[in-house]
Amino acid sequence: DGGITQSPKYLFRKEGQNVTLSCEQNLNHDAMYWYRQDPGQGLRLIYYSQIVNDFQKGDIAEGYSVSREKKESFPLTVTSAQKNPTAFYLCASMTWLADTGELFFGEGSRLTVL
Amino acid sequence: DAKTTQPTSMDCAEGRAANLPCNHSTISGNEYVYWYRQIHSQGPQYIIHGLKNNETNEMASLIITEDRKSSTLILPHATLRDTAVYYCIVPGSSASKIIFGSGTRLSIRP
Repeated sequence: DGGITQSPKYLFRKEGQNVTLSCEQNLNHDAMYWYRQDPGQGLRLIYYSQIVNDFQKGDIAEGYSVSREKKESFPLTVTSAQKNPTAFYLCASMTWLADTGELFFGEGSRLTVL
Repeated sequence: DAKTTQPTSMDCAEGRAANLPCNHSTISGNEYVYWYRQIHSQGPQYIIHGLKNNETNEMASLIITEDRKSSTLILPHATLRDTAVYYCIVPGSSASKIIFGSGTRLSIRP
């Protein structure tokens, strides 16, 4: 079945280590997004990509990096520069056809920095 | 993308209709309104979307005002399973920056 797969679901890391979260989609969607969610808060946009080999910063890009080498994949690296990386991370994808702009979300990755 | 404003929280009695408002006063003529909901610790789930006509599906109804500056999501017979955070978003006319905001936390009381 088509969908978005995020891995790992849970991740524990020591402070100062870089961490890469995987996001893969087989929906043939052009656009992909990364959001961060803190407890009791809404979704905040980290990075987004509308096409392969291109991406733009969202509202909270500092301390994060992404790549978009393949249409299906949009990995997010949480670098040691991110001051408070413990959070729930959500990846989404979308294609824009006619009037359809529905976002499809993965199950999320919960990162805890010890 | 148009900014949306929603109440922080609402509650509704089980079995009654839950009406969730959203303001999107800066919406452009060709921009759709989308509603999603997020149950605790899961990815948001699509509910419904519309342009200017009212829409209904198996999950909910969407009422959009004539001037398109606001909309209301209606869950006709709320159940405890409808307890979630509901987000109203206006993605814009292309796959650009999509901002979610804080949403409305809906509590259903038995």
